[in-house]
Amino acid sequence: AQTVTQSQPEMSVQEAETVTLSCTYDTSESNYYLFWYKQPPSRQMILVIRQEAYKQQNATENRFSVNFQKAAKSFSLKISDSQLGDTAMYFCAFNSQGGSEKLVFGKGTKLTVNP
Amino acid sequence: DGGITQSPKYLFRKEGQNVTLSCEQNLNHDAMYWYRQDPGQGLRLIYYSQIVNDFQKGDIAEGYSVSREKKESFPLTVTSAQKNPTAFYLCASSSGPGQNYGYTFGSGTRLTVV
Repeated sequence: AQTVTQSQPEMSVQEAETVTLSCTYDTSESNYYLFWYKQPPSRQMILVIRQEAYKQQNATENRFSVNFQKAAKSFSLKISDSQLGDTAMYFCAFNSQGGSEKLVFGKGTKLTVNP
Repeated sequence: DGGITQSPKYLFRKEGQNVTLSCEQNLNHDAMYWYRQDPGQGLRLIYYSQIVNDFQKGDIAEGYSVSREKKESFPLTVTSAQKNPTAFYLCASSSGPGQNYGYTFGSGTRLTVV
């Protein structure tokens, strides 16, 4: 079974600085998808960024980018120019290419952006 | 606008009662999912359905039941057999296998046993 590990339960960063959230996963599959979701205090889950494992190029979405290391099974999220609105829980998630398409989530990292 | 609607936002259950959480989507998505969220536990899958009239157990299905009679609706019943039902429940949908663009989530239901 696939597992997703987020080793940082909590992190903090100063506004305008850069922070990196870690995620590792375990799978025997060669092709799959990885996601980062954001859950602000409103508790609405929001998709931040998506990466397809067969693409070597790291995904980027504005201030958010990933460092995808397939051999190391690592998928970290970098947030540049952190803003107060980035304060949230961040969940890393794994999904296999085919089959049931269930998302497997890590336990999350609580990020606080300080003014 | 298309989306997922969960209701109610807050729900209180007495010991021994069954309660049903509603989840409706107008995204024309084939697949729907129920997750339970507890502090420090992340999201754990309760049940999922990839097509109407079919559903599968997730990792923590005991004490829960679902139905999928319509494509748009996937209600979750928390039965009296669920020993610790107090949690935040999230419903999600996706366009189905082969369309891996992630999930769209509802805004959640907070269930409290009183």
